[in-house]
Amino acid sequence: AQSVTQPDIHITVSEGASLELRCNYSYGATPYLFWYVQSPGQGLQLLLKYFSGDTLVQGIKGFEAEFKRSQSSFNLRKPSVHWSDAAEYFCAALNTNAGKSTFGDGTTLTVKP
Amino acid sequence: KAGVTQTPRYLIKTRGQQVTLSCSPISGHRSVSWYQQTPGQGLQFLFEYFSETQRNKGNFPGRFSGRQFSNSRSEMNVSTLELGDSALYLCASSLQGPSDTQYFGPGTRLTVL
Repeated sequence: AQSVTQPDIHITVSEGASLELRCNYSYGATPYLFWYVQSPGQGLQLLLKYFSGDTLVQGIKGFEAEFKRSQSSFNLRKPSVHWSDAAEYFCAALNTNAGKSTFGDGTTLTVKP
Repeated sequence: KAGVTQTPRYLIKTRGQQVTLSCSPISGHRSVSWYQQTPGQGLQFLFEYFSETQRNKGNFPGRFSGRQFSNSRSEMNVSTLELGDSALYLCASSLQGPSDTQYFGPGTRLTVL
């Protein structure tokens, strides 16, 4: 069965510091991969997605993610975090055959001033 | 362009009752997906509708059902509510399906007493 693992439940970084959120997936083939952000009381917003091609994907708000097939990983990065980035981040994988998305449990990001 | 709207935003029901939630997608979007978000189970896919047909379904009991109208608006119904149905229910719309960018609504917070 397809699964998505986000090993870090909670991460705290200082404003201006770099950020990396980890995501590992388990799936027979390369799924479509996504990163979403959810602020309190709001729905999810797509940050970026990977289908194929260049393994380094650029997204909105200065985020990027790198797909590494050998490690089954799709980690999210940002070189300099802003206080407004504090939110919960979800990694997701889409099984295109079944049309079903599987989400990780999320990583809550706290930004220290 | 107006975003995805969900009504109502908050709902309180008692066990055994039924509930209907509504989702209006972005104009021009034909695919609507529903998700359940709980602290214990995380984000789980319920079902996806496209052109008034249920195209994909997650692993939820038959008490959870939905439909889509000709204007792409979708409703989700939960019958015989259980305490465990308390959750944030999110809908997402996209042009053709979940491999396209999905735009999420703010969700309906359902509390079952």
